Amino acid sequence: QPVLTQSSSASASLGSSVKLTCTLSSGHSSYIIAWHQQQPGKAPRYLMKVESSGSYNKGSGVPDRFSGSSSGADRYLTISNLQSEDEADYYCETWDTNTQVFGGGTKLTVL
Amino acid sequence: EVQLLESGGGLVQPGGSLRLSCAASGFTFSSYAMSWVRQGPGKGLEWVSAVRGSGGVTNYADSVKGRFTISRDNSKNTLYLQMISLTADDTAVYYCAKAAASSGGIYYMDVWGKGTTVTVSS
Repeated sequence: QPVLTQSSSASASLGSSVKLTCTLSSGHSSYIIAWHQQQPGKAPRYLMKVESSGSYNKGSGVPDRFSGSSSGADRYLTISNLQSEDEADYYCETWDTNTQVFGGGTKLTVL
Repeated sequence: EVQLLESGGGLVQPGGSLRLSCAASGFTFSSYAMSWVRQGPGKGLEWVSAVRGSGGVTNYADSVKGRFTISRDNSKNTLYLQMISLTADDTAVYYCAKAAASSGGIYYMDVWGKGTTVTVSS
């Protein structure tokens, strides 16, 4: 089954941009992944799916500041013009025939 | 509007059992696979179980296999998770989530409920 690897933490300044990475395990580089945001004390929220081609589709109401991209086994979430409300945990997710898998999550701090 | 509302959480003693429910609205429930995901205190998201739209196929994480049973009642638009032989490691917020595609099979999740808290303690 696929394994997803994320950095445990990231930080960036208010108004700047940050790029979070989710890496798929060997043999799974073609997999689609989804990004989810979890603000402190809240339930997760679906942000977007990202395909191996780099195309992405965002969920309803997700700001234009959020975008996705891909390179090889890496899937990216880029947040531009960082706002204070973007401080959250970000999880990537993928699936196989009989299982769903989450990355360990990246805690984003907005300085 | 698509909504998921979990209920049934609470405090239970080790070795006890609990049944969680998730009431769905705003979409054709039977067309979508549904999942349970949990999050222990200070931990990340952990997939627990999934059931196909028809209810005929179920899958479980190794950590809960043999102890948890996922099911659904498509006539009531409700998802369930029956949990037995609970341990402290099962203490978590339990979320139900909807698959993004209407194929009926497992897919990524695009709608989450607000969660219900399960605490296993004596």
